[in-house]
Amino acid sequence: AQSVSQHNHHVILSEAASLELGCNYSYGGTVNLFWYVQYPGQHLQLLLKYFSGDPLVKGIKGFEAEFIKSKFSFNLRKPSVQWSDTAEYFCAVTRISSGSARQLTFGSGTQLTVLP
Amino acid sequence: NAGVTQTPKFQVLKTGQSMTLQCAQDMNHEYMSWYRQDPGMGLRLIHYSVGAGITDQGEVPNGYNVSRSTTEDFPLRLLSAAPSQTSVYFCASSKAGTTGELFFGEGSRLTVL
Repeated sequence: AQSVSQHNHHVILSEAASLELGCNYSYGGTVNLFWYVQYPGQHLQLLLKYFSGDPLVKGIKGFEAEFIKSKFSFNLRKPSVQWSDTAEYFCAVTRISSGSARQLTFGSGTQLTVLP
Repeated sequence: NAGVTQTPKFQVLKTGQSMTLQCAQDMNHEYMSWYRQDPGMGLRLIHYSVGAGITDQGEVPNGYNVSRSTTEDFPLRLLSAAPSQTSVYFCASSKAGTTGELFFGEGSRLTVL
């Protein structure tokens, strides 16, 4: 079965620090990759996505992620975090095969706390 | 534009009671799904639908029923609530195709005593 691993469960940073959140998946075929963010008390919102092409994708609010196929990874980065980035971040993967393309498998999430 | 609307936002049930979580979307999305979110486990797919009249099971379907009589609505029914169903439930929808980009509702927090 496909799985998605986020090894950092809780990350605490000071404002202006750089961020990297790890995401690894187990499926060896063609995948679509996503990062979703959930701000306190809100629903999940799409941060960025990768379907094909340039493995470095840029999302909203200065976030970016790099797809490294050989490492089955899709790590999220931001050069300088802000207090408003405090949220829970979820990596998600779908397999590109019939009937399953929209069935996202989510990681367990990483809670990011940014101290002012 | 309302997007994906879930009701109720909060609900407390006793073990054995039944209830329905409502989900409606106004984006004419063909695909709709229900996830539950539990601490340390991320989101897990309960049921999904690729169009009106078509539903299928996800990763954790036991204890839940769904139906899709219209494109807009996708209710989730708990048949006989159990404490293990205490969770936050999210409905999501997307257009047809293979992009997988989901739009989520604001969630329904369910507590089963």
